[in-house]
Amino acid sequence: SSELTQDPAVSVALGQTVRITCQGDSLRKYYASWYQQKPGQAPVVVIYGKNNRPSGIPDRFSGSSSGNTASLTITGAQAEDEADYYCNSRDSSGIPLYVFGSGTKVTVL
Amino acid sequence: QVQLVESGGGVVQPGRSLRLSCAASGFTFRSYAMHWVRQAPGKGLEWVAIISYDGSSKYYADSVKGRFTISRDNPKNTLYLQMNSLRAEDTAVYYCAREEPLDPDAFDIWGQGTTVTVSS
Repeated sequence: SSELTQDPAVSVALGQTVRITCQGDSLRKYYASWYQQKPGQAPVVVIYGKNNRPSGIPDRFSGSSSGNTASLTITGAQAEDEADYYCNSRDSSGIPLYVFGSGTKVTVL
Repeated sequence: QVQLVESGGGVVQPGRSLRLSCAASGFTFRSYAMHWVRQAPGKGLEWVAIISYDGSSKYYADSVKGRFTISRDNPKNTLYLQMNSLRAEDTAVYYCAREEPLDPDAFDIWGQGTTVTVSS
């Protein structure tokens, strides 16, 4: 089955830009979706598809993809963006099996 | 409003069974594929299973295949996860999630989760 690799942690100064990456073979065929999870809360989708933001998600969140790597960029990080972020995609086989990345803890300094 | 509410979690001994429920409201439940996703204490998210909008197709993660069964009752707007032969490693918060209507590979609505603890 597919695997998605994320850096465990990243920090960003308040108001600066941070990029979180997700690597995996399945990303050559399928877009990643990205989920924000704060302590004790359920995940919330922030980016899906090519670069789609659900209603209510600030436009400082954006997504991109190249080859086997998907990226989530937060431009002008705010204190409330401190959270765990997970990428997710369909398995590269095409069967509707899904995999999550291991998650990246974003700390806003 | 659009909402998913899980229930049925609890403490169960290894080898026993438990059934989780997920009550949907605020949308046309029968039109959407649904997922179960779990999160072990202090760990990341793990996808568990998917069921098609009409219940005709089901797929499972290898870690639960043969032990867990996903099902749905569309007239009751309810999703289920029957968990048999439970193991300590099944201890987790279990979330139900809805397929994003514009992207079937994303999950747009999540419940608050229900906690399953497998322990003797």
